[in-house]
Amino acid sequence: SAVISQKPSRDICQRGTSLTIQCQVDSQVTMMFWYRQQPGQSLTLIATANQGSEATYESGFVIDKFPISRPNLTFSTLTVSNMSPEDSSIYLCSAKSGQGGYEQYFGPGTRLTVT
Amino acid sequence: EDQVTQSPEALRLQEGESSSLNCSYTVSGLRGLFWYRQDPGKGPEFLFTLYSAGEEKEKERLKATLTKKESFLHITAPKPEDSATYLCAVQISGNTPLVFGKGTRLSVIA
Repeated sequence: SAVISQKPSRDICQRGTSLTIQCQVDSQVTMMFWYRQQPGQSLTLIATANQGSEATYESGFVIDKFPISRPNLTFSTLTVSNMSPEDSSIYLCSAKSGQGGYEQYFGPGTRLTVT
Repeated sequence: EDQVTQSPEALRLQEGESSSLNCSYTVSGLRGLFWYRQDPGKGPEFLFTLYSAGEEKEKERLKATLTKKESFLHITAPKPEDSATYLCAVQISGNTPLVFGKGTRLSVIA
């Protein structure tokens, strides 16, 4: 299994500012993902963070709004840019190891409130 | 379009009252079906992966089963600490993202 940590765990931000969320995995993983979970809703995939290349974004999410970095096999960041109250959500980092099975693990999440 | 539907949306049980949660899926191909538990304010916790019809996996009071069209998460003699939202997800191929259902919110009352 993989243990995933995220920083910050929560933040309250003002409209128009940006926040960068960090995700650290305790072992090398083949794939990392970023999800958004709005209150009372299920998980929506934002993008797949690719090591050494640009992230792959899902429909409705764009790089200018959610730039992602993945400099190595254990670390990724997600930036939420030019925030509005609609961006208030829980942001979850996830990782999948290529070694045996296809289990996908999640971090504890970052609770973002935009005022 | 690949789709995952979970039922019921919410379930309230008395402690010790066994029941089942359902996850039905319509996908172009199934690589794996995943069950997660999510507590309020926390990230999903991995429970099981099922790969083929007829497969079963158990963990404490939980047992997951899989058919060609659906999966069940059976909860035997639940305790209040089993209260959580249970999420089901499917993967179409090894490198595609998981497709999640909306979850079942389980409450177990002492």
